[in-house]
Amino acid sequence: GQNIDQPTEMTATEGAIVQINCTYQTSGFNGLFWYQQHAGEAPTFLSYNVLDGLEEKGRFSSFLSRSKGYSYLLLKELQMKDSASYLCAGRNNNAGNMLTFGGGTRLMVKP
Amino acid sequence: ETGVTQTPRHLVMGMTNKKSLKCEQHLGHNAMYWYKQSAKKPLELMFVYSLEERVENNSVPSRFSPECPNSSHLFLHLHTLQPEDSALYLCASSQDRTVNYGYTFGSGTRLTVV
Repeated sequence: GQNIDQPTEMTATEGAIVQINCTYQTSGFNGLFWYQQHAGEAPTFLSYNVLDGLEEKGRFSSFLSRSKGYSYLLLKELQMKDSASYLCAGRNNNAGNMLTFGGGTRLMVKP
Repeated sequence: ETGVTQTPRHLVMGMTNKKSLKCEQHLGHNAMYWYKQSAKKPLELMFVYSLEERVENNSVPSRFSPECPNSSHLFLHLHTLQPEDSALYLCASSQDRTVNYGYTFGSGTRLTVV
């Protein structure tokens, strides 16, 4: 495994910005994914980082620091529909390039 | 609809029953996966099929038996399950195991073992 760690729960206010952090073991690291999962639904792909830096996609951005084994997902202008679980997943070339998932961060957006 | 369809969406079964979960994708992907998602736990990889060949079996008990008859279909056969096997079972597919877009997931089968 790759020991993916992320907070269990976070709460934020509609219209605000929230940052969800994720740390991972760097040995064999070969890419970091973020997924969004609404209750009772399929996880859906949000972002992929393999190089250091920030990837921006509309209201969502994802950052990676390979040397620190650290990533974050930044959600801006929060909307009520952003209430969901956010899954961090690392790909490891020591594990057949398959994904190892963290436990997910449940985000609750309040009015 | 994500392109990966799982049936049934919900299943309640007794410990002596035999049932099967079905997953179907028509995305042209050649790798398929079974994951188990339990409350407050990370997604656990169970099985991986690449080009219809099983390439990963993550120490899963033999009461779970996968089958991949072709690149579009994946089954998980269940027999003599335990209550702790109650969970959401997610199927996923990918173009190959090294793709940069990760996996496409189905909506899962919510399994309850009584």
